[in-house]
Amino acid sequence: EPEVTQTPSHQVTQMGQEVILRCVPISNHLYFYWYRQILGQKVEFLVSFYNNEISEKSEIFDDQFSVERPDGSNFTLKIRSTKLEDSAMYFCASIFRDRDQETQYFGPGTRLLVL
Amino acid sequence: AQKITQTQPGMFVQEKEAVTLDCTYDTSDPSYGLFWYKQPSSGEMIFLIYQGSYDQQNATEGRYSLNFQKARKSANLVISASQLGDSAMYFCAMREGRNRGSQGNLIFGKGTKLSVKP
Repeated sequence: EPEVTQTPSHQVTQMGQEVILRCVPISNHLYFYWYRQILGQKVEFLVSFYNNEISEKSEIFDDQFSVERPDGSNFTLKIRSTKLEDSAMYFCASIFRDRDQETQYFGPGTRLLVL
Repeated sequence: AQKITQTQPGMFVQEKEAVTLDCTYDTSDPSYGLFWYKQPSSGEMIFLIYQGSYDQQNATEGRYSLNFQKARKSANLVISASQLGDSAMYFCAMREGRNRGSQGNLIFGKGTKLSVKP
């Protein structure tokens, strides 16, 4: 069964460093999302992406964050200058169509720790 | 105001018994979808079940069923015949309809930690 994959599974970085989190959505899916989950808290929406541009973003998704789909398969989230509070699990998700009943399938997540 | 409310931070259930995890939601959209996800200790988010706002029947998927009470804006997850492997965090989530301009991001509750006792 097709699945969303994410790399790396874990990343440790120093405050102020740039990180790139990678996702490979399910191959025929058209809509992509990033969410984050700070340890012990609920999952929060960051950004949605369709047709090579951002569809919607939350207030969390400030200028330090960017997304791109560099090669038609990968979908990346970049954090330019990491802060301690960026430590969280980051999930990528994708759907085929933008319809209410479409289920968002999540990747296994990348656990980011900023020191 | 919270869009998704899960009032039970933790629940215990005896193996083989049924358990209900509560979820209430708040939306003014006539069209929306409700989802339940399971998050084991390993961290991944596993889709369990979906209920659409226009669905007449309660959704069922194996041992999972959704007790959808639209007038009360509740979408409780029922797990029948609990197994030890059901121990995990369970998140209720909502996706609102198009007329809010949403591209479909999910709004999550804070979750319920379910522990199944042998």
